[in-house]
Order: sequence, then C-alpha cells, then structure tokens
Amino acid sequence: AQSVTQLDSHVSVSEGTPVLLRCNYSSSYSPSLFWYVQHPNKGLQLLLKYTSAATLVKGINGFEAEFKKSETSFHLTKPSAHMSDAAEYFCVVSDLSGGYNKLIFGAGTRLAVHP
Amino acid sequence: DAGVIQSPRHEVTEMGQEVTLRCKPISGHDYLFWYRQTMMRGLELLIYFNNNVPIDDSGMPEDRFSAKMPNASFSTLKIQPSEPRDSAVYFCASKRGQGPYNEQFFGPGTRLTVL
Repeated sequence: AQSVTQLDSHVSVSEGTPVLLRCNYSSSYSPSLFWYVQHPNKGLQLLLKYTSAATLVKGINGFEAEFKKSETSFHLTKPSAHMSDAAEYFCVVSDLSGGYNKLIFGAGTRLAVHP
Repeated sequence: DAGVIQSPRHEVTEMGQEVTLRCKPISGHDYLFWYRQTMMRGLELLIYFNNNVPIDDSGMPEDRFSAKMPNASFSTLKIQPSEPRDSAVYFCASKRGQGPYNEQFFGPGTRLTVL
C-alpha cells in the first residue's frame, strides 16, 4: 500500500528565512507525488508534482521539491519565506491501485511565518 | 474558467435534517471527486465518478450518505439524516483524464455544521 508521512505538524519560520517541509513516502512502485497548499478557508491548490522527468521539481511561488528515492523523501523547500506562504501544506501520493485516481493525503504541515 | 464551484459555502443545520451539497466541475473534466476534511481524520476521499458513473464509493461512511451525478456539469452529496459527527468541510474536485500526473482541481469547500 502507498502512503505519505509528513514529519512535522507545525513549522514556524521568520519572513525571509528558508522553509523546509518534510515528507516521506512509502510505495512499491515509482510514486506519483504532489504537494498541495491550503490557505485558510480556501480549497487546495497544486504547488508542484513529481513526474519522474526530473528529481528536482519547481513549482509555483518559488517552491521546489526534490525526489530522493534512496531516502524515500519528497521534501518541500523555499529559499525565502513570505508572509503569504502561511498556510497548510499537504504531501500527496497518487494511489496506483485506484488507477491513479485516488489521492492519499498526508496529515498536513501548518506553516507559520513571522515578521 | 471559473474553477470548481460548490454551494453552499456554509451550511448550519440541526441533527436529523437532510443536507444537500452541490458541485459544478470544470467544463471538460471527466472525473469528479468528493472529499471530507476533519481535524481527526484529515482529508479522505468519499466517492468519485468517471463520466457521471460512480466508480468507487468505498469511502462513503454509511448509508446516510449518497452522491449522484445526473450530468457532466453537476453533482450532489446528500446526507439524510444528518448527525453532529458529520460536521466537516466537504470538498469537490475534478480532473481531466486518467493518469498518474493529472491534477485534481479543488473547489472552495462547503463547511457543514450539524447541531
């Protein structure tokens, strides 16, 4: 079975400092991985996705993630946090058994950005 | 494109009442998904449709929940009778085509409170 584990439920950074949100995955196959962001009282928006074309994936708003098979990780990073980055972030794997139609969500990491 | 549209955005009802949540997917998308988000269980898939046909309803919690998709541009999720433990945010999402990397687009959600 496929699964994702987000290692931190809360992360707090100062504006202008780097962001690191950690995600480990479990999959018997080459996984399809995503990061989604949810701002307060909003729906989920795709930040980036791993398509196996490149291990370093660039997304919107300056975010990127690196797929590391040896570490079964897909951590999300941003060099410099902005106040508008404060939100909840979800690491997601697409379930092969569901024909890739079923998404399995991590528990989420709430990012706080302080001035 | 207006994105995925959900209505109502907020619903407050009393235990035992019928609740109907509505969703209009993005035009041209052939998959539609209903999710529920709670603090305790996170984001969980309830049911999804392909070309208006329910494909997997294994996430529907019990018989009080039902979902329909009478045409490509409209879906409903009904709870009858509602209970306080149904209080959650319900998201609708849609996507075009099957594949490991196809993005699901989420609506803004309906926040349901059952008193």
